[in-house]
Amino acid sequence: DQQVKQNSPSLSVQEGRISILNCDYTNSMFDYFLWYKKYPAEGPTFLISISSIKDKNEDGRFTVFLNKSAKHLSLHIVPSQPGDSAVYFCAASAYFGNEKLTFGTGTRLTIIP
Amino acid sequence: DTGVSQNPRHKITKRGQNVTFRCDPISEHNRLYWYRQTLGQGPEFLTYFQNEAQLEKSRLLSDRFSAERPKGSFSTLEIQRTEQGDSAMYLCASSDPQGGGNTIYFGEGSWLTVV
Repeated sequence: DQQVKQNSPSLSVQEGRISILNCDYTNSMFDYFLWYKKYPAEGPTFLISISSIKDKNEDGRFTVFLNKSAKHLSLHIVPSQPGDSAVYFCAASAYFGNEKLTFGTGTRLTIIP
Repeated sequence: DTGVSQNPRHKITKRGQNVTFRCDPISEHNRLYWYRQTLGQGPEFLTYFQNEAQLEKSRLLSDRFSAERPKGSFSTLEIQRTEQGDSAMYLCASSDPQGGGNTIYFGEGSWLTVV
């Protein structure tokens, strides 16, 4: 069963606009969440994380929001830039400090100049 | 370059052959992970080490797969009697939770194609 779901396989956004990537999870034991960015033929690169004690974490152009009651998180990128075009993976772990991650299937973001 | 290093980056092998991948983690990272990623999927956890001890193995890691980290530094992942279903990107990652870092850093991956 897919415990971390990214239901949008792809997303296209105009340069300068906001990109919103969504992720849902089913395992209530997950309490630490991460977003990774991946270019073709490269390994995933860490972007931003959030623990379940928070509902928002911000780092520059990237903000992650967590809604625990809905088991939903989202990544906002604003403003979107052409270099943001990549596949974005949502990941979760069962308790803070256990980095065994469960990944979603990814969303391919394309920024249109 | 002080990131996670993997080699070879690409390997094409015939079905039934054995292959071995090597991973050099970030220096002083005591945790090392192996993940596998197939097309259209996210990375899937295979196994991880705390120093030289292998602490957890996924059920994805069949008995044809063996991972070692003999001195708590680099690690190898060997696949025996390869099958076409083994074709994937094998990702190594490392982290340093004792140093306060909870983030896993990935290498660039090793592509395996079994023909």
